[in-house]
This record gives sequence, C-alpha cells and structure tokens, in this order.
Amino acid sequence: DTGVSQNPRHKITKRGQNVTFRCDPISEHNRLYWYRQTLGQGPEFLTYFQNEAQLEKSRLLSDRFSAERPKGSFSTLEIQRTEQGDSAMYLCASSLAGTGVYEQYFGPGTRLTVT
Amino acid sequence: GQSLEQPSEVTAVEGAIVQINCTYQTSGFYGLSWYQQHDGGAPTFLSYNALDGLEETGRFSSFLSRSDSYGYLLLQELQMKDSASYFCAVRGNQGGKLIFGQGTELSVKP
Repeated sequence: DTGVSQNPRHKITKRGQNVTFRCDPISEHNRLYWYRQTLGQGPEFLTYFQNEAQLEKSRLLSDRFSAERPKGSFSTLEIQRTEQGDSAMYLCASSLAGTGVYEQYFGPGTRLTVT
Repeated sequence: GQSLEQPSEVTAVEGAIVQINCTYQTSGFYGLSWYQQHDGGAPTFLSYNALDGLEETGRFSSFLSRSDSYGYLLLQELQMKDSASYFCAVRGNQGGKLIFGQGTELSVKP
C-alpha cells in the first residue's frame, strides 16, 4: 500500500469559483478525516467518515463546504464560492476505527490558494 | 472545550536531548498523541500514551501524567533531520477526531 494520496497537490483559483479535492485513503482503513492547516498552526478538524457515513462535521465548516465518501473508499471535499480565507492546506487522513483515531495517516495535502 | 498548550519554538544542538511539553484541558481524556511534521510535509504519527508513564520508541519517548494533564515528548541524540514541528493531540469529545496543539517548531543546530 502506498499510503494516503491526495489530488491535486496544488490548486489556484479565483474567488467565487468552486473547487473539489480528492483523497484516497489506505485501503483497509475505514475512517477518513479532513483537516485544514494554515501556516504556523496545527491541523484543524473539518469532518470525518466511518465507511460511507459522515459522522461529525466541524461547526467551523460553513454551508459552502461539503464532503462525500460515496462507497466508503475515496472521498471528495468541495468548496463552493471560494473566499480568500479558504486559502490553506487541506489534509486528508485515514485510520482504523477505535483507538486508531490516535494513529492517523496523513496524505501530502492539497494547497489551495484563492486569489 | 478542549485546548492544548505547547511552546512555540525550541532550539537545541545536534546530539543533545530536548523535551517538548504539552498541557491539555479536556472534559474527557482518552490519550495523548504526538505527530511530527517537516516543513512542507504531512504530519506523521510518532507515539500515543493512554496511561501514565513513559513510552519509548527508539530515540523518541513520550510521557503522560493524567493527574497533571501534562505530557512531553523527549528526543534524544538529536539529529539535523529532527528539525520539524511537533504537535500534541487529544481525541475530541465525540470520539472521532483529533484536536491538535499549535505545534512546537524544533530547530537543531550543528
């Protein structure tokens, strides 16, 4: 297994455009997480899935953000009507359920720049 | 709510030992994790403590005191490649996420 992969690695978009990111987790992991990270800060939780069910969503996540994991494998994160404040690194992680929450495997991230 | 505090920066010399502290406030505690992140890279899991005491993994050790709401990461025989940010993290109240500290940037000097 090659680990968690994310695409694209970089995305530059104009304010008001929609963007979609993809995450492919480690195949045997049933949990998938999305985090956002800005410079000098720790990863900030956005949402997570167990299999195909979205079990928790951060209150920080506005209605412009939506995530799916349709078959319990890969996941997509969509941001509609992007704003400059959305510029950040978007990290995906996966783990096993239970105590696996403490040992998450992160992908390389998608760096979003909104101009 | 939940919060974690870490020093923002630590500097040490190659070959030395450094300790990165983490204090946490959380309504329910189930364990403390540590992650390493090199500049431009992804966070990488280092260790997890559920019970009080020291866990050793090679040059890295992690300690937890639940009564003091405190833990630390100990790095021995520092190498230049250890220059990175180190984050402590606790599980969120609803169980499915990690809450990360703001990170400690470690600079290892020759």
